[in-house]
Formats: sequence, C-alpha cells, structure tokens
Amino acid sequence: NAGVMQNPRHLVRRRGQEARLRCSPMKGHSHVYWYRQLPEEGLKFMVYLQKENIIDESGMPKERFSAEFPKEGPSILRIQQVVRGDSAAYFCASSKTGDSYEQYFGPGTRLTVT
Amino acid sequence: RKEVEQDPGPFNVPEGATVAFNCTYSNSASQSFFWYRQDCRKEPKLLMSVYSSGNEDGRFTAQLNRASQYISLLIRDSKLSDSATYLCVVKETGFQKLVFGTGTRLLVSP
Repeated sequence: NAGVMQNPRHLVRRRGQEARLRCSPMKGHSHVYWYRQLPEEGLKFMVYLQKENIIDESGMPKERFSAEFPKEGPSILRIQQVVRGDSAAYFCASSKTGDSYEQYFGPGTRLTVT
Repeated sequence: RKEVEQDPGPFNVPEGATVAFNCTYSNSASQSFFWYRQDCRKEPKLLMSVYSSGNEDGRFTAQLNRASQYISLLIRDSKLSDSATYLCVVKETGFQKLVFGTGTRLLVSP
C-alpha cells in the first residue's frame, strides 16, 4: 500500500526558470494539500484540492504559483519564474475525505533556486 | 502574534527522563488538535490527536485546555529514538488546512 509519492525529491532551478512539483496521493484518497516549509520555519498551508477543483487556495502567493489536480494523474504545483526565496521543502499530503482528521504526508520535494 | 506558538528548544535530556512540551494557539475557533513528529529533513508524521479529556498512547500523554488555548505533550522514559522536532498542529472548524507551530526540538542523549 504505497504512501503519498512526490517527485522529484530534489529539484535545482536557476532564477527565472519554472519548477513543476508532482504529488500522487495515497490509493483511495481524493483530497490533496500542499504545504511549504522554509528553512528554520514551520510548515505553511498553500492550497487544498480535490479532483479537478481548487477548494482553498488562501495560502498560495498571488503571483507565479498555481496548482492543479486533474481527473487523471498526479497533482501538480507549478512555480513560474522562480526566485531565491522560493527555495524550500514542499510537502504534499492527502486524505480520504475532506472531513478526515488525518493527512498523510509525502517525503517532500526540496527546491533549490540558484 | 503567531497562530500556534511553541518553544523552539532544543530540549536536551538524558535517556529515561520525562520531558514536557507546551503549545498555545490564538484562534478560539480551532476544533482539532494534534502532535506531529518531524525527523530531520523528512516529512511530518502524526504522533497523536489531542482530545479534551486528555489521552495517552504508551509513553506519550497529550492534554488540551480549551479555556487557556493550551496544548501539552508529555514523554515519559525518553528513548534515543525520540530525538526529533515535535510539531503542535491545529485545525479550525470548517477548514481543512492544518496550522503548524514551528516545532520544539528534542535531543535525547545516552
């Protein structure tokens, strides 16, 4: 029973490039959450999606960041024109229902912007 | 003011010691409470949920005081493997997002 999968695990991008982070939820889970952890800080919520719908994007920066969870395939977090301040660990979590208390986290993608 | 506040530590304790962490939250609409554990550079993992009546799981005891908006975690008989960062987490009524504290680091030494 595979857990939440994220890839790539490590991603290096130069300033101005695009970063695409992928997340496959646990089997049977249709709710996906993205969190960002800046160095020496706590995890911060970014966005909550269900299949084909964005439910809550209150934590997403207004520019350059977007997320999707298509009917088929993984959820994608896309960062356009990356800047050094985007360097962080990006964690994806999934749950079976929206009311589920437990969110299962993936291993994260460490983005480094040079 | 941060939504969830924790003492960052580190707490340095010998094996076998009892250690307690505290956490306060600012939003009285918070409904659900958790302790997560995060090992260095890894994903957070749920340690335990926290209930109003208090709850225990082996060596771990969690308490919630809604009036004071205060959550605690007690670890008895500390093991080397308990060394990690402990994250206090709350969830508001009607929202699915988790709100994390910055964590308290625990170092258990032989």
